[in-house]
Amino acid sequence: DTAVSQTPKYLVTQMGNDKSIKCEQNLGHDTMYWYKQDSKKFLKIMFSYNNKELIINETVPNRFSPKSPDKAHLNLHINSLELGDSAVYFCASSQRGAQNTQYFGPGTRLTVL
Amino acid sequence: GQQVMQIPQYQHVQEGEDFTTYCNSSTTLSNIQWYKQRPGGHPVFLIQLVKSGEVKKQKRLTFQFGEAKKNSSLHITATQTTDVGTYFCAGDSSNTGKLIFGQGTTLQVKP
Repeated sequence: DTAVSQTPKYLVTQMGNDKSIKCEQNLGHDTMYWYKQDSKKFLKIMFSYNNKELIINETVPNRFSPKSPDKAHLNLHINSLELGDSAVYFCASSQRGAQNTQYFGPGTRLTVL
Repeated sequence: GQQVMQIPQYQHVQEGEDFTTYCNSSTTLSNIQWYKQRPGGHPVFLIQLVKSGEVKKQKRLTFQFGEAKKNSSLHITATQTTDVGTYFCAGDSSNTGKLIFGQGTTLQVKP
């Protein structure tokens, strides 16, 4: 059983396009996250939602817009893609108030040409 | 803002040698977590440390949390090829679930 799943696994697109990445977790967690991992493997948090409410919003260009239709899903939409957006995007989930152990999805490798 | 520094960035060892990675935070942490990311994979939780001076062991892995709760280390005894990957520490200074990750230490093990 997949705990945290993401689609697509790979995404290759042209500069200027708009794309979305989807994430779903079946762990019953109430908090979900989006991370960006660059080519040097640096993991940086972008957003976090708790029960559909945005609780962490780091300094991210407003071309990035997260949406959480329910607490099991967190999507990431990116407008006007730029070369620098190329990275691996990880979704993660945790149960707030517990250990906050984060469970990561398999990642989406985004390549902007 | 809060920063978490991790050294070394890379470490190459011969199988059977020991390995240590160190993590330092610019602020006092409420807890620190360690994750392992295999090549091509995603970060996987290893352990969480909460108490000052805490030491935890998982088979050949020993994790320590400093007395001031600003630094931590992961030591692997007698490395094996299955230990290959990038080890991240991640600190939470406000108990909000917002983890600040260190840059990671990538371990290569020569058989």
